[in-house]
Amino acid sequence: GDSVTQMEGPVTLSEEAFLTINCTYTATGYPSLFWYVQYPGEGLQLLLKATKADDKGSNKGFEATYRKETTSFHLEKGSVQVSDSAVYFCALSASNSGNTPLVFGKGTRLSVIA
Amino acid sequence: KAGVTQTPRYLIKTRGQQVTLSCSPISGHRSVSWYQQTPGQGLQFLFEYFSETQRNKGNFPGRFSGRQFSNSRSEMNVSTLELGDSALYLCASSSGRDGYTFGSGTRLTVV
Repeated sequence: GDSVTQMEGPVTLSEEAFLTINCTYTATGYPSLFWYVQYPGEGLQLLLKATKADDKGSNKGFEATYRKETTSFHLEKGSVQVSDSAVYFCALSASNSGNTPLVFGKGTRLSVIA
Repeated sequence: KAGVTQTPRYLIKTRGQQVTLSCSPISGHRSVSWYQQTPGQGLQFLFEYFSETQRNKGNFPGRFSGRQFSNSRSEMNVSTLELGDSALYLCASSSGRDGYTFGSGTRLTVV
């Protein structure tokens, strides 16, 4: 079945450092790809998404590019802030129409220190 | 517009009891999905309802059930609670075009 693998955490960075969280997927067809973020005590917030190969999703300084050839969707940010401390989840949906469940990676905890 | 609302936020139940969780989706969203989040298993899909019909189902025992009402509000029920059912239960609604919007979750503790 479909699956998502993301790098194990926790990741600890100093403020203004560069962030990369690796995510690779296994799926039949052409899934939609997502990054969600979860702050302590809260649900998941959609950070960005991409629905086809070579699409770049971006939001709040975060970016990820849908790479079909490497089945990857790595999350990057050029300069992290303390407020970015959270757990980040990579996910896929087999359909673009929103009627197939999300498959999540295990999550990567990011801590940014001042 | 209002987001996805889950009630209650916290619950403590005893083994063997049953529990009902509620989810009100974003207005106009007809799809409601439920996920279980635990430290060991991560985020796992329970089921999805669309227009009062279960459209997708995850790999959970029959103790886990759900339903959706005509106003798209959804409930999930867990019967004969086990300690392992302690988790954060997340509801997500979707219009089908813009992906899923999640609620803040219901944290269930079974003692």
